[in-house]
Amino acid sequence: GESVGLHLPTLSVQEGDNSIINCAYSNSASDYFIWYKQESGKGPQFIIDIRSNMDKRQGQRVTVLLNKTVKHLSLQIAATQPGDSAVYFCAETPWGNNRLAFGKGNQVVVIP
Amino acid sequence: EPEVTQTPSHQVTQMGQEVILRCVPISNHLYFYWYRQILGQKVEFLVSFYNNEISEKSEIFDDQFSVERPDGSNFTLKIRSTKLEDSAMYFCASRLGAGANVLTFGAGSRLTVL
Repeated sequence: GESVGLHLPTLSVQEGDNSIINCAYSNSASDYFIWYKQESGKGPQFIIDIRSNMDKRQGQRVTVLLNKTVKHLSLQIAATQPGDSAVYFCAETPWGNNRLAFGKGNQVVVIP
Repeated sequence: EPEVTQTPSHQVTQMGQEVILRCVPISNHLYFYWYRQILGQKVEFLVSFYNNEISEKSEIFDDQFSVERPDGSNFTLKIRSTKLEDSAMYFCASRLGAGANVLTFGAGSRLTVL
């Protein structure tokens, strides 16, 4: 859902369970999407990316799904670990564009 | 693994003072960026820099802001006369070049304007 100011949507997940984080984007011209992870006090860290000619891409324990019809992006984390606790941002841009537009972030809290 | 380094990690300044935030991008990267993040909010684009000039800037990047690549390694963001609302984390990022869209971010510089 929407977040305002300090209140981020928060997903609490048991260690070992799978996590799904969702993101809606608005720019129809965007054709490149990235998920970033941000731990407290650190900069955004690249997780996985996908171009619009694909609807699914897998990495190590992570999968990104893209639904261009409804402008929706999701990140799935398999077997969530305590180190996955962070804020996750989706970002979008037209391919080759200079500026990423970040979403508002989703907090993931992993319960040991 | 190559990384983007930023200094200082935290700077406290009085309103109206000039601040320079420094970044050392990854050495073979060609595109450089500044983003900022106000506490608890999303990361916002400020400016991109390529071939020794600004290639794009956002509406946030007004005349109080400037960027410079004074030598072959540093990339700086200057805020001429800081305002309270400039308090934020400032992230430098770089990317390799055409065909490589992934930005690598630094750990950020926290600016607190009193």
